Amino acid sequence: EVQLVESGGDLVQPGGSLRLSCAASGFTFSVYWMHWVRQVPGKGLEWVSRVKPDGTSADYADAVKGRFTISRDNGHNTVYLQMNSLRGEDTALYFCVRDRPSWDWGQGTPVTVSS
Amino acid sequence: QSALTQPASVSGSPGQSITISCTGTSSDIGYYNYVSWFQQHPGKVPKVVIYDVTNRPSGVSNRFSASKSGSTASLTISGLQPEDEADYYCTSFTRSFTWVFGGGTRLTVL
Repeated sequence: EVQLVESGGDLVQPGGSLRLSCAASGFTFSVYWMHWVRQVPGKGLEWVSRVKPDGTSADYADAVKGRFTISRDNGHNTVYLQMNSLRGEDTALYFCVRDRPSWDWGQGTPVTVSS
Repeated sequence: QSALTQPASVSGSPGQSITISCTGTSSDIGYYNYVSWFQQHPGKVPKVVIYDVTNRPSGVSNRFSASKSGSTASLTISGLQPEDEADYYCTSFTRSFTWVFGGGTRLTVL
């Protein structure tokens, strides 16, 4: 059974940093692109970033480019999202998602950016 | 990276069919056959119902079907059932090597 378990969400002040983690199990982690997607409660889904299976390449939404960095550790089946220069508009539930075709989702970890 | 355009809401009666549109551009839906659709019930995690434009994952009802024409993708749900009431989101890969979601459509089963 595929499992994706996010952690690291917290309350952080504007301008602060946070690192999210996603522990994956139940599939061959090293062959899949992995994504982070966020959702403000009651609002729509927003794609944030993805990382290549071997970790050598990544892509970002314009809203987070230059502030967020995605990475992965295939030895520990974990994907990370380093979030710097956080803003109020980054407040959301952050989901770890396995790439198509299965698009498996974790339960999400909440990030709140507020003073 | 503008969001794909979906109607905010659609509705239908049990047994009827409804179609949700998802309009993009020649740089996303119109360029790649990488459109997926997700169903999200309140308080739940999204679940894929269609991937790669027309493919239905195992376990998803065959009442769900989808298509694409030009820069617009469509999801059709036939024989509406009460449990179909949910939010539906489309997503597409883009020529910028990013993914983009639609704003979501609230389906109400009357």
